[in-house]
Parts: sequence; C-alpha cells; structure tokens
Amino acid sequence: QVQLQESGPGLVRPSETLSLSCTVSGGSVSDDYWAWIRQPPGKGLEWIGYISYTGRTNYNPSLKSRVTVSLDTSKNQLSLKLNSVTATDTAVYYCARNIKAWTRDPSNYYYYMDVWGKGTTVTVSS
Amino acid sequence: SYVLTQPPSVSVAPGQTASITCGGNNIDTKSVHWYQQKPGQAPVLVVFDDTERPSGIPERLSGSNSGNTATLTIGRVEAGDEADYYCQVWDRSSDIQVFGGGTKLIVL
Repeated sequence: QVQLQESGPGLVRPSETLSLSCTVSGGSVSDDYWAWIRQPPGKGLEWIGYISYTGRTNYNPSLKSRVTVSLDTSKNQLSLKLNSVTATDTAVYYCARNIKAWTRDPSNYYYYMDVWGKGTTVTVSS
Repeated sequence: SYVLTQPPSVSVAPGQTASITCGGNNIDTKSVHWYQQKPGQAPVLVVFDDTERPSGIPERLSGSNSGNTATLTIGRVEAGDEADYYCQVWDRSSDIQVFGGGTKLIVL
C-alpha cells in the first residue's frame, strides 16, 4: 500500500524559502494526484495545493504567489517550496495522495485525500 | 470562495449517537468527504463521496448530504472516537479543495 513520508528542515528563518519533500513508497508519483496540506498549531487544516501526474498544478489563492509544488519522478517524490515565509507559516505540513474520482455522471468528478503522511513540523523563527 | 461551516464542538455520552454537521451553500451538489484527526496524528479519511466508507472504517460511522448540510453520524460512540473531525469538498468553479474549520467530538 502507498505510504508517504515528509522531510525537510524543522526551522526556517523569516523571509527565506521553506522547502519540503515527500517520498512515496508502494506506488508511483506518476500514477496519481498529490496534495500538500498544512495545520498551524491549534488550528484547522488548510489545503495548500495539488499536482497531477502530468505536472498540472493548482494552489490555494491565499498562497498562490509564494508556493510551488513539483514532482521528481526519478526519486518518486513530490516537493513543496514556499518563499518569503513569516511566523504565520509555522505549521505541521502534510503530503497526501489526492484521489480524483467520478460520479455516475461522467462529466462530474471530485477530489479527496485517501492516504496521508505523518506530517513534519516547520517553525519559522529567527 | 466556497465556505464550509462546522460547529466547534459536539459532546456526546458513550453509547449514544453523535451528529457532526458541515454547512455550505447547496452542498448537496458536491461530494463531501470526512476526516478524523486524533491528537498528534495525521488525519484519516473516514467517509468519502457523502456516504462511502474506506476499508477498515466501522459501519458506526456514516455520512449523509442534503440541501445545505452534510452530516457525519457516529453511532454507539466510544471513548476512542474522541477526535477532531473535518469535512472537505472540491469547489469546481475555482478548482480549490476546501476544508471546514473542524469539530472537536467530546465523549463525556
């Protein structure tokens, strides 16, 4: 079964770039859609964005100007880059497999996250 | 953008039934998904496409979606059901995936 593991620095300085990787095992990044989600301390889940197996992306409008999600098929990884970080970017960051599924109406589909990594904590502080 | 509204908390006695709501404009036109998150753990998918349960999720957990409200129902509540629950939809118009604010289920 598919398993996901996030990795990256636990501490990032303000104004710098947060860079995380998510290694996929038991499956291929070329076969599915993938998402990044974050959760500030004591708060709810926030969807950051997703990437398809073709490399098509879409991002949360609140982060769109600062975020990039990409795939590295040679390493079977997806990555997240968030630039110009501030303390409000402090959070647990999760990667997840993003399922695209169709309803009985073939023109109608939806997305959900069926497998999640354990998450990695990133603190933005000087 | 599309907004999902959940009550901050729901309290229930063991053995009773808990209902957690997720409100959104014409939410019954969307597929709603639910996640359970226990302290210090990653979220776990418990219901997808309004009513479907992933393998391994007990039948005590069920979902429904009508009008402007989707509901996650947990029957015969156990202490182990105490967790935060989040609803989620995909907003076709913006191609954005949206989470509700989350509901803390408190088992008395």
